[in-house]
Amino acid sequence: QKEVEQDPGPLSVPEGAIVSLNCTYSNSAFQYFMWYRQYSRKGPELLMYTYSSGNKEDGRFTAQVDKSSKYISLFIRDSQPSDSATYLCAGRMDSSYKLIFGSGTRLLVRP
Amino acid sequence: GAVVSQHPSWVICKSGTSVKIECRSLDFQATTMFWYRQFPKQSLMLMATSNEGSKATYEQGVEKDKFLINHASLTLSTLTVTSAHPEDSSFYICSARVGDSQPQHFGDGTRLSIL
Repeated sequence: QKEVEQDPGPLSVPEGAIVSLNCTYSNSAFQYFMWYRQYSRKGPELLMYTYSSGNKEDGRFTAQVDKSSKYISLFIRDSQPSDSATYLCAGRMDSSYKLIFGSGTRLLVRP
Repeated sequence: GAVVSQHPSWVICKSGTSVKIECRSLDFQATTMFWYRQFPKQSLMLMATSNEGSKATYEQGVEKDKFLINHASLTLSTLTVTSAHPEDSSFYICSARVGDSQPQHFGDGTRLSIL
């Protein structure tokens, strides 16, 4: 079992839809959680960075962490074709520098 | 803020040559820099971690003599792939962070193709 699991997709939605991207993880020691967006042939771009459980909102993006169920989510409101990319979730323990990535979910937003 | 620049973005070279990739933090001083490798449609695999002025820490299975890492300053780390072979062809990405509780910011990667 991988430490961080993500559905690879692709997830195809029409422009303007609310997108829900999800990850599950197995390491209960994870304290930091991240969402990165990666366009083809580019490096990952940090979207959200959260500590422990709770919600965090930034513009059209909302990250949710539920440590009791080991479930993390990223919601994208009013999705745009420019949001089409691969979304990577990652977790990290407090005592470690190492990010554990999911395999990524490919999102396609249709005009 | 938190911009990481990687150079070159793409390199093609013959088998047996060595290739150097640079990673710079442009607007912050990075206490730690990281080097990853990514194969098509796969996630990032951490290769090594480097702290300024000290030897890099390599992940299990990564050859230290094959992938030389130098972190000479708080804004620059280099990865040299020595005697590169076709199986070393991949997408190499660096990241950097300011401190222990801060997130990693990634460069745009280097596509390495060995003929």
